[in-house]
Amino acid sequence: AQKITQTQPGMFVQEKEAVTLDCTYDTSDPSYGLFWYKQPSSGEMIFLIYQGSYDQQNATEGRYSLNFQKARKSANLVISASQLGDSAMYFCAMSQMNTGFQKLVFGTGTRLLVSP
Amino acid sequence: DVKVTQSSRYLVKRTGEKVFLECVQDMDHENMFWYRQDPGLGLRLIYFSYDVKMKEKGDIPEGYSVSREKKERFSLILESASTNQTSMYLCASSSPRGIRETQYFGPGTRLLVL
Repeated sequence: AQKITQTQPGMFVQEKEAVTLDCTYDTSDPSYGLFWYKQPSSGEMIFLIYQGSYDQQNATEGRYSLNFQKARKSANLVISASQLGDSAMYFCAMSQMNTGFQKLVFGTGTRLLVSP
Repeated sequence: DVKVTQSSRYLVKRTGEKVFLECVQDMDHENMFWYRQDPGLGLRLIYFSYDVKMKEKGDIPEGYSVSREKKERFSLILESASTNQTSMYLCASSSPRGIRETQYFGPGTRLLVL
C-alpha cells in the first residue's frame, strides 16, 4: 500500500535561515508524483511544488526546492531564506493512478514555526 | 488563478441533522474531491467526481453521500450527522493530467456536531 511518512511533527527555524522538512514514501509502483502543500492557519491548502518519479532534476519553485532521492524514497522540502509568513503546516503527498484516476495520499504534516 | 470556494467556513450542527457542504470551482475542472482532515491523520479522501453525475468512493465514504449536478459544483451530504463527523472538510478540484494532476483546494469548512 502507498504510504507517506512525515516524522517531524514540528520544526523551528529563525528568519532568513534554511529549513528542511522530511518526507519518505513507500510504493511499489514505478510511476508516481510527489507534491508539497502549505496550510496556513486560515485552512486553505496551497500547492507549492511537484516532482515526478521520472524527472531527472530536482524541482525548484522560487524559495522552495525538493530534494528527491529516489533510491532512499525520500522527497524532502527545502525552504531557503525563511520568512515569518512561512509559518504553517506542510503536507507531503504522493499521487498514483488507481483504476484510471489519480489518487493523492497525504502524510500527517509538519508544523513549521519561523521566529524573528 | 484557480478559485475553489466553500459555502461556509464554520458550521455547528446537532446530532441527527442533515448537513450540506457546498463547493464551487471556477476553472472548468472535470475532477472534484471531498476530504476530511483530522489532527494526526492528515487528509483522507471521502468521495470524488470525475464528471457531472459521476462519483467514486474514496477511502472513508461511510456516513457521507455526494451530488454533482453541475460541473462547477460538488456537494457533500451528511444524511444524519454524528459527533464523530466533527472535522475540517476540504474540497479540491483538478483537471485530469495523470500523476502530474495538481489538486487545488478551497479554504475548508470546520464542522462541529454537538
